[in-house]
Amino acid sequence: EAQVTQNPRYLITVTGKKLTVTCSQNMNHEYMSWYRQDPGLGLRQIYYSMNVEVTDKGDVPEGYKVSRKEKRNFPLILESPSPNQTSLYFCASSSPDRGYEQYFGPGTRLTVT
Amino acid sequence: AQSVTQPDIHITVSEGASLELRCNYSYGATPYLFWYVQSPGQGLQLLLKYFSGDTLVQGIKGFEAEFKRSQSSFNLRKPSVHWSDAAEYFCAVGEPGRGQNFVFGPGTRLSVLP
Repeated sequence: EAQVTQNPRYLITVTGKKLTVTCSQNMNHEYMSWYRQDPGLGLRQIYYSMNVEVTDKGDVPEGYKVSRKEKRNFPLILESPSPNQTSLYFCASSSPDRGYEQYFGPGTRLTVT
Repeated sequence: AQSVTQPDIHITVSEGASLELRCNYSYGATPYLFWYVQSPGQGLQLLLKYFSGDTLVQGIKGFEAEFKRSQSSFNLRKPSVHWSDAAEYFCAVGEPGRGQNFVFGPGTRLSVLP
């Protein structure tokens, strides 16, 4: 089954404790993205990647890091999480061959206390 | 930079009534345009998309959208709403040539009365 998976689905952590949210897709898509969703703001793009070792900042990259060492994986790293990074995070993948339709993961709800 | 507005934060309609959700964008040329739906506690699902050609686009679940260049709009419509359509709807804009740089609107929450 074609899908985007994220782990963990729920995470509660404390300020400053480094964490990684994993994202993996099995559709051989070139493009992958991370978004955060906050009430009243919709989805805002954090980072995106157009292929292995090619990443670029989205609209809200501060406080986040990403890497794309393999085509299928695109982890999101919070080196020193802060409470304002409490949010719902989505990973997505797409391909120009499929008209850039983005396939979204199920989301990761992160709470930073 | 692109921007997307969805003027209606929350809309309530009766089951069987028609629906129109508004989306306006700011972009210098014709962008890629998308509508996504998010059911409670779920991820996002693509309803339809517009890249070029016929300005009336058909999507899944009986939805359609019309691109109006003169109004910079891409409104979503459905002739008869079902209770299962209750969800949050997001309009999104992509920039041709930068296929992965998307901007989403703030969303419109749809409630359906029985």
